[in-house]
Amino acid sequence: DGGITQSPKYLFRKEGQNVTLSCEQNLNHDAMYWYRQDPGQGLRLIYYSQIVNDFQKGDIAEGYSVSREKKESFPLTVTSAQKNPTAFYLCASRSWAAGNTIYFGEGSWLTVV
Amino acid sequence: AQSVAQPEDQVNVAEGNPLTVKCTYSVSGNPYLFWYVQYPNRGLQFLLKYITGDNLVKGSYGFEAEFNKSQTSFHLKKPSALVSDSALYFCAVPGGGNKLTFGTGTQLKVEL
Repeated sequence: DGGITQSPKYLFRKEGQNVTLSCEQNLNHDAMYWYRQDPGQGLRLIYYSQIVNDFQKGDIAEGYSVSREKKESFPLTVTSAQKNPTAFYLCASRSWAAGNTIYFGEGSWLTVV
Repeated sequence: AQSVAQPEDQVNVAEGNPLTVKCTYSVSGNPYLFWYVQYPNRGLQFLLKYITGDNLVKGSYGFEAEFNKSQTSFHLKKPSALVSDSALYFCAVPGGGNKLTFGTGTQLKVEL
């Protein structure tokens, strides 16, 4: 099946730990995105990448890092510098050929314990 | 900066009645506008988009949206609501850097 796969669905992090959320797409999309969703605050953009080996900060990049070594993959690392990481994280991708429509994965819940 | 606003946090409607979820926009130039739906604990699903042309855009699951340039609105509508339409709805607009900026979302609750 074609789509965007996020893993794990649920992740627990201890204070001071870094954790990495996986995002893989087999849609041959060029651009990939990471959004954070908190209750009542909608979606906020963390990082995005328009091509391989290039990425830009979004609105709330502090405490996060990404890499884009392959077109299909855009992992997000939540570092210990992110003071309030508990949230729902959404990965998305877009093909230039398909216009501006962005498609989303199923999301990953991160909880600090 | 491109932005959208969803003035209602929650909309309640009875099953079988028409529903409207409101969105207003602020963009420079010709707007591209999107609607997405999110069911609990799931990712966002694309419903429909307006690029140019007809002001009434038809999308998935029987939804449609009306683009109104004079009122800078892009309201989501459905003639007859279903309980299964209960979800969180987001309006969105492309911003700089080819990324989407989302509204704060409207929770739709359809009751029997």
